[in-house]
Amino acid sequence: SQQGEEDPQALSIQEGENATMNCSYKTSINNLQWYRQNSGRGLVHLILIRSNEREKHSGRLRVTLDTSKKSSSLLITASRAADTASYFCATDETSGSRLTFGEGTQLTVNP
Amino acid sequence: GAVVSQHPSWVICKSGTSVKIECRSLDFQATTMFWYRQFPKQSLMLMATSNEGSKATYEQGVEKDKFLINHASLTLSTLTVTSAHPEDSSFYICSARDNSPLHFGNGTRLTVT
Repeated sequence: SQQGEEDPQALSIQEGENATMNCSYKTSINNLQWYRQNSGRGLVHLILIRSNEREKHSGRLRVTLDTSKKSSSLLITASRAADTASYFCATDETSGSRLTFGEGTQLTVNP
Repeated sequence: GAVVSQHPSWVICKSGTSVKIECRSLDFQATTMFWYRQFPKQSLMLMATSNEGSKATYEQGVEKDKFLINHASLTLSTLTVTSAHPEDSSFYICSARDNSPLHFGNGTRLTVT
């Protein structure tokens, strides 16, 4: 079963606006990762944040991690139509070597 | 960066036949590869962990005799869907770990008629 829950399930915004997606998890983790999936394609790694980090930036992406609340957020600033995709969080649990994926957020950026 | 190649991209087969999907790590060695299944508009469900030189580890509820996994070398894992049925129609994605994070293939769309 998936341990991650993401909200919202779907999000539609206008180009230029910011998009925020949230992820919650249940177990102890080594790190949390965010992936992007274009329709019918594999996943592309976006950013990894370790359990001892609270915030990380990469270009227009900003990720936060709150291990006390077992939650993370992904912010995409100044969104573009090309950002339209599904975004998944994935937790690398301390108890195993595999990633567990959240349910995903479908982001649509309207031009 | 690390590249994972998955083949074929899509396949249509008749019910009762078997389909083999290949997953290759092109520029790194992967002792472990992962096979996921994804239904439309849903998340990835881990099916099994493929270990080079040993038996795969299957997740609960995944039939190992139906989904045969072979990890014969450090760069190749194969998933064979045996005696496929329409309910096996799905998107299958492999991934390999080169330290962290995971690198994913582009997936295989399987349609069983």
